[in-house]
Amino acid sequence: QLQLQESGPGLVKPSETLSLTCTVSGGSISSSTYHWGWIRQPPGKGLEWIGTIYYLGNTYYNPSLKSRLTISVDMSKNQFSLKVNSVTAADTSLYFCASYGGSFADYWGRGALVTVSS
Amino acid sequence: QSALAQPASVSGSPGQSITISCTGTSSDVGGYNYVSWYQQHPGKAPKLMIYDVSSRPSGVSSRFSGSKSGNTASLTISGLQAEDEADYYCSSFTSSITYVFGTGTKVTVL
Repeated sequence: QLQLQESGPGLVKPSETLSLTCTVSGGSISSSTYHWGWIRQPPGKGLEWIGTIYYLGNTYYNPSLKSRLTISVDMSKNQFSLKVNSVTAADTSLYFCASYGGSFADYWGRGALVTVSS
Repeated sequence: QSALAQPASVSGSPGQSITISCTGTSSDVGGYNYVSWYQQHPGKAPKLMIYDVSSRPSGVSSRFSGSKSGNTASLTISGLQAEDEADYYCSSFTSSITYVFGTGTKVTVL
């Protein structure tokens, strides 16, 4: 059974870059069985899909965030990461990483709260 | 891409059945049998309840079932229990090879 754990700074200043890492255990991130995604949830609000990376390295992003996003994989560390550039207060959210065993997120991390504030 | 439309809240008494709708377009819900449903309790990560419209992951109660008609998917919870009180989100694969979530529904057990 896969386990995922988000890590990264909990506080980011406006206009800077938000960086999060998701460490995967219980399976290989290079497996073709899964692809890997990021989802966020602003405090008190609903889920928003951020983006996904497939095992061949193809990435797909939420159109509303695409210009500011980078998702990448580090196979040597069994991790994948998220970078969001030029953050504002609107990017304050609980960020989840998840595995997609098909067209669904079957395993989720516990979430990492990131606050954008000076 | 716009969020899929869900009712803000649905309620029912213990033992009753409730249905949550999830309305999209022909570019997402209507175009693919790739609708999934997630349950989220306060302070917890979402949990997969239904995938590919109507399939249930191992360990999920058979009281949860999914269906789809046209651009609208539905989640039905039968024999409602206190532990079912949570937020529920649908999600769909889209023609842009992206995913979109629903607006979320708060289920209250009266």
